[in-house]
Amino acid sequence: TQLLEQSPQFLSIQEGENLTVYCNSSSVFSSLQWYRQEPGEGPVLLVTVVTGGEVKKLKRLTFQFGDARKDSSLHITAAQPGDTGLYLCAGVGNFGNEKLTFGTGTRLTIIP
Amino acid sequence: GAGVSQSPSNKVTEKGKDVELRCDPISGHTALYWYRQSLGQGLEFLIYFQGNSAPDKSGLPSDRFSAERTGGSVSTLTIQRTQQEDSAVYLCASSLGGVLYVAGGRNEQFFGPGTRLTVL
Repeated sequence: TQLLEQSPQFLSIQEGENLTVYCNSSSVFSSLQWYRQEPGEGPVLLVTVVTGGEVKKLKRLTFQFGDARKDSSLHITAAQPGDTGLYLCAGVGNFGNEKLTFGTGTRLTIIP
Repeated sequence: GAGVSQSPSNKVTEKGKDVELRCDPISGHTALYWYRQSLGQGLEFLIYFQGNSAPDKSGLPSDRFSAERTGGSVSTLTIQRTQQEDSAVYLCASSLGGVLYVAGGRNEQFFGPGTRLTVL
């Protein structure tokens, strides 16, 4: 069974601070995705990382895929209240397997 | 609308009753997925459809759970003889699907708002 552990599980920080969320697995994934989910809604895709060592930036968010394609991180610079939500990483399985394996989630709260 | 829709948005039922949850995917999306989310945690995969076929049912928790998809579009998830541990948010997602699409790392799944099921 492929498992994705996220840390921290909960994070509450002041507006303007920086933070990093980690997603770790013992399994290799063909690619990895990050989603953000707000209350009462389904998750929304933020980014897909495909190549080991890949770094992608989305405004104040920086995503990195580990060299061995087993782990990833999400770094937010100068967090804003609008960043509040549940962040989920999801691993895409091997070729031909379309299901996503979701991480345990990180609930982020940015305090104004 | 153009997004994935699910109905009902909320369902409260008594233990032992059967429930049906419906998902309308984005038009043209051949792949459809069902997930379950408990207490704002990560999502648990239930079943995946490609067209009307379900190549992966590995996530269904027990034989009380079943799903079907007709016409390559609408899907229904049925839970028979509901138990309190079935209480959760049930999320549906759809994607363009296709093996080559996945291999390119672009398997973006679009999620519906979910159905919150409460079993009393």
